[in-house]
Amino acid sequence: SYVLTQPPSVSVAPGKTARITCGGNNIGSKSVHWYQQKPGQAPVLVVYDDSDRPSGIPERFSGSNSGNTATLTISRVEAGDEADYYCQVWDSSSDWVFGGGTKLTVL
Amino acid sequence: EVQLVESGGGLVKPGGSLRLSCAASGFTFSSYSMNWVRQAPGKGLEWVSSISSSSSYIYYADSVKGRFTISRDNAKNSLYLQMNSLRAEDTAVYYCAREGGVATGFDYWGQGTLVTVSS
Repeated sequence: SYVLTQPPSVSVAPGKTARITCGGNNIGSKSVHWYQQKPGQAPVLVVYDDSDRPSGIPERFSGSNSGNTATLTISRVEAGDEADYYCQVWDSSSDWVFGGGTKLTVL
Repeated sequence: EVQLVESGGGLVKPGGSLRLSCAASGFTFSSYSMNWVRQAPGKGLEWVSSISSSSSYIYYADSVKGRFTISRDNAKNSLYLQMNSLRAEDTAVYYCAREGGVATGFDYWGQGTLVTVSS
């Protein structure tokens, strides 16, 4: 089965840039999606197909994907960005797969 | 406005059954694949099952295969999850989610319904 690996936590100061990684075997050949989940709320899609943003998502959220690592980048981090972030891919042997999630803490 | 509203959660004993529903509105339900995703307390997201727009293709996570059944009624704009032989480890918030496609992910989610399996 296909496995996605995320760091459990990332910390960043307000106004700085946060980078959350998602590792997987040859993940660069797949479309990666990223979700933001705040406590008590449903997940929200923030980046799809590696680097596209749904309408309403700030340009501060961006993504990249190459080789064995995909990255969600949040520029000019705000207190309101504090949340859990999950990566996701579709794999022919595993169907939909989520990473374990990364808790973003804004210092 | 796209809306997905889950219902049917509750407390059930191990070995029991429960049927979840997801009422969809604000979009052409019959044109989209739909999914169930769950989240155990304090844990991450786990994909459970998916069903294509016309119910032609159905997939399950290994953890629920043979116990859960996904279905849909396009005339009623509704998605269902029949859960049998429930175990303590099935305790979770269950979300329904609209799938935009392999290259789009899950673009809309419901608010979730809590299923607790306990004696």
